[in-house]
Amino acid sequence: SQELEQSPQSLIVQEGKNLTINCTSSKTLYGLYWYKQKYGEGLIFLMMLQKGGEEKSHEKITAKLDEKKQQSSLHITASQPSHAGIYLCGASNSGGSNYKLTFGKGTLLTVNP
Amino acid sequence: DTGVSQDPRHKITKRGQNVTFRCDPISEHNRLYWYRQTLGQGPEFLTYFQNEAQLEKSRLLSDRFSAERPKGSFSTLEIQRTEQGDSAMYLCASSYTGDTEAFFGQGTRLTVV
Repeated sequence: SQELEQSPQSLIVQEGKNLTINCTSSKTLYGLYWYKQKYGEGLIFLMMLQKGGEEKSHEKITAKLDEKKQQSSLHITASQPSHAGIYLCGASNSGGSNYKLTFGKGTLLTVNP
Repeated sequence: DTGVSQDPRHKITKRGQNVTFRCDPISEHNRLYWYRQTLGQGPEFLTYFQNEAQLEKSRLLSDRFSAERPKGSFSTLEIQRTEQGDSAMYLCASSYTGDTEAFFGQGTRLTVV
């Protein structure tokens, strides 16, 4: 079965600093999804990557999928307290917009003002 | 449309009791997913519906669990004879065929005492 490993498990940064979260798959990814979760709440969709080498940005968040489609990174520029939360990567190993996803354990981000 | 709605948000039950959760997806979404998330872990796939048909069930879904989606609209997840190990956040998500984004509800947090 597919496994996703996220690193680091937790991260504390000062407001304004840049940071990167990594997600590594044991198998080739068909689709890689990034979600954000506030503690005890549902998941908020951030971005979805499918093609090797693909890069997407939204506001100050950029996600990349490597050429081999086994590793993704999420980069936040000039972090703000509103970026705090748990970041989860999820992988689909089939097509058809199937949301049977395997998730990593998440990265807990704390942004100190 | 207010998004995916889950009810109740919190449920405390005694071991051995039955519980039922409800999920109302976004109205035009034909796909509905149930996930379970325990503390410090990412969500784990439980089951998936396309319209009223339950197309896939995880091995995590023991005989004590049953999910339905009558008429392809809302869905219910029932757990019979609850055990302490069932304590978790139960998340529902919905999507439309061909879309690259699934929307998650706020979840139902179950505590079995």
